[in-house]
Amino acid sequence: GAVVSQHPSWVICKSGTSVKIECRSLDFQATTMFWYRQFPKQSLMLMATSNEGSKATYEQGVEKDKFLINHASLTLSTLTVTSAHPEDSSFYICSAREGAGEQYFGPGTRLTVT
Amino acid sequence: DAKTTQPPSMDCAEGRAANLPCNHSTISGNEYVYWYRQIHSQGPQYIIHGLKNNETNEMASLIITEDRKSSTLILPHATLRDTAVYYCIVRGIQGAQKLVFGQGTRLTINP
Repeated sequence: GAVVSQHPSWVICKSGTSVKIECRSLDFQATTMFWYRQFPKQSLMLMATSNEGSKATYEQGVEKDKFLINHASLTLSTLTVTSAHPEDSSFYICSAREGAGEQYFGPGTRLTVT
Repeated sequence: DAKTTQPPSMDCAEGRAANLPCNHSTISGNEYVYWYRQIHSQGPQYIIHGLKNNETNEMASLIITEDRKSSTLILPHATLRDTAVYYCIVRGIQGAQKLVFGQGTRLTINP
């Protein structure tokens, strides 16, 4: 199947700093990318959907100024958590899809804010 | 998208078939049934999907009832590596349809 990578796989940052997570589709063109967040023992929660070259659409309750999403190319999307706080510590997972095809997931990035 | 209902947990013996049920009584005619699984601390992995016919691939079989209100994912010969959370998701394919995850079924394969 198609491959989606994320970098870094884990990151620790201090409270108040910003951290960027990259998501890449390695062998297909990701016209749509999705960002999910998962807290321990919970299911994945969709944060936002982005189409290449367009602004992201955020789910209700997700702060767009705190979680900045850029999808500037067909193979790369980034999620920047601005002014991170301990409650932002979570497992962030990206997903990508080409057209109306299947949705493939990255391996996830574990963020710990101290 | 239609909502799905799954048992929160199931156990299965290694080497036996694991049958995971899913109810999706409000599914509409153009919505597919998708199954993903998530092994601990990894991203979800696509397993299989179907519309109304039964489907089989190298990982699993998907049995969809004639009225499409429920389905069963079958792992024919479960191994310890099949221990994961299994998500049944209903999704249309038009436009920007997205995958919305429920709570899933935590399947534990026992030796």
